[in-house]
Amino acid sequence: RKEVEQDPGPFNVPEGATVAFNCTYSNSASQSFFWYRQDCRKEPKLLMSVYSSGNEDGRFTAQLNRASQYISLLIRDSKLSDSATYLCASHNTNAGKSTFGDGTTLTVKP
Amino acid sequence: NAGVTQTPKFQVLKTGQSMTLQCAQDMNHEYMSWYRQDPGMGLRLIHYSVGAGITDQGEVPNGYNVSRSTTEDFPLRLLSAAPSQTSVYFCASSQRPDRDNSPLHFGNGTRLTVT
Repeated sequence: RKEVEQDPGPFNVPEGATVAFNCTYSNSASQSFFWYRQDCRKEPKLLMSVYSSGNEDGRFTAQLNRASQYISLLIRDSKLSDSATYLCASHNTNAGKSTFGDGTTLTVKP
Repeated sequence: NAGVTQTPKFQVLKTGQSMTLQCAQDMNHEYMSWYRQDPGMGLRLIHYSVGAGITDQGEVPNGYNVSRSTTEDFPLRLLSAAPSQTSVYFCASSQRPDRDNSPLHFGNGTRLTVT
């Protein structure tokens, strides 16, 4: 079993739709969690950190449920520019390692 | 502020050749790491370093060596290239690996093809 598992996707949604991505992690030693965005043939870039209390940045909301070992990302009012691959990542502070899911590809269509 | 700089951007090797992928960061980050990304397989950790003089193996270390003689540089060496090492390689750094909310900063990547 992979340490971080994501919805395989792909997600194809119309502009304006709300879309949710889910991610589960198996290593209970993981302490920090992040969502990264990766455009085609580019490097991943931090989208947002994920906290148990929830984290909102404009149209994006990230949530962490430690009891269920589950991370989510909600995108409201999707834009064409949101089309990308979204990667969730867990970070084990003690081991100093980050582990990534395989990514979920989102295509927003006019 | 350059961030994380990787060279070269593209490289073609023949089977059995060796080469070094360069990675440098100017953010005084303690943590540096190398990932490879293959289609449909996400990012897999090759080697990482929590500070100068300290390195450790990740998920897929075989066929690769690293060293960390300075805080800034973390080169990745392919000892004897194989077609299975055809991939996109990303170097990444973060401020403090022992702290929460210390996200990774990635370089632009090196696209390696081994024939």
